[in-house]
Amino acid sequence: QKEVEQNSGPLSVPEGAIASLNCTYSDRVSQSFFWYRQYSGKSPELIMSIYSNGDKEDGRFTAQLNKASQYVSLLIRDSQPSDSATYLCAVNVAGGFKTIFGAGTRLFVKA
Amino acid sequence: GAGVSQSPSNKVTEKGKDVELRCDPISGHTALYWYRQSLGQGLEFLIYFQGNSAPDKSGLPSDRFSAERTGGSVSTLTIQRTQQEDSAVYLCASSSQREVEQYFGPGTRLTVT
Repeated sequence: QKEVEQNSGPLSVPEGAIASLNCTYSDRVSQSFFWYRQYSGKSPELIMSIYSNGDKEDGRFTAQLNKASQYVSLLIRDSQPSDSATYLCAVNVAGGFKTIFGAGTRLFVKA
Repeated sequence: GAGVSQSPSNKVTEKGKDVELRCDPISGHTALYWYRQSLGQGLEFLIYFQGNSAPDKSGLPSDRFSAERTGGSVSTLTIQRTQQEDSAVYLCASSSQREVEQYFGPGTRLTVT
């Protein structure tokens, strides 16, 4: 079982819709969770971090964490074509700085 | 302030040659990471350094790969006797003492011919 799993996609949504990206992880004691966006040919950039159960909102982005279900998600409201990218879920291994990345979900937002 | 920098941005080398890739982290960041990303693939963890602690080398794929970090700042990833399967983008990231959010450099694209 992979430590961090994401649906590879592609996920295609129309402009203005909500895009929902999901991630599950295997390490029950993980405490820190991150979403990174990676445009084609570019390096990953941090979008959101979340540490507590529940929702965390930042602009059009909402991260959701459910530690009991070992599940973290990213919602993108009012999706724009510029949101088209690969979204990487990352989980910090408890007790240290090591971070495990999922393989990423490709998102296409159609104009 | 300045972000993570990496050099060179592109490197083409012949099979069997050694290469050195450099990473300069964000000033004050104590943790430094190296990842490898093959075309269309996810990030593969290679190694990380945290302060003066022993590095976590658990991701290095073979003994041809090594890395060092001098003075708690700049890091060099060395690949000896390069093979074609080493062709990838090598990404460096750093994070602060307090938080584990990582900030990535632009990467070095390595092509082994």
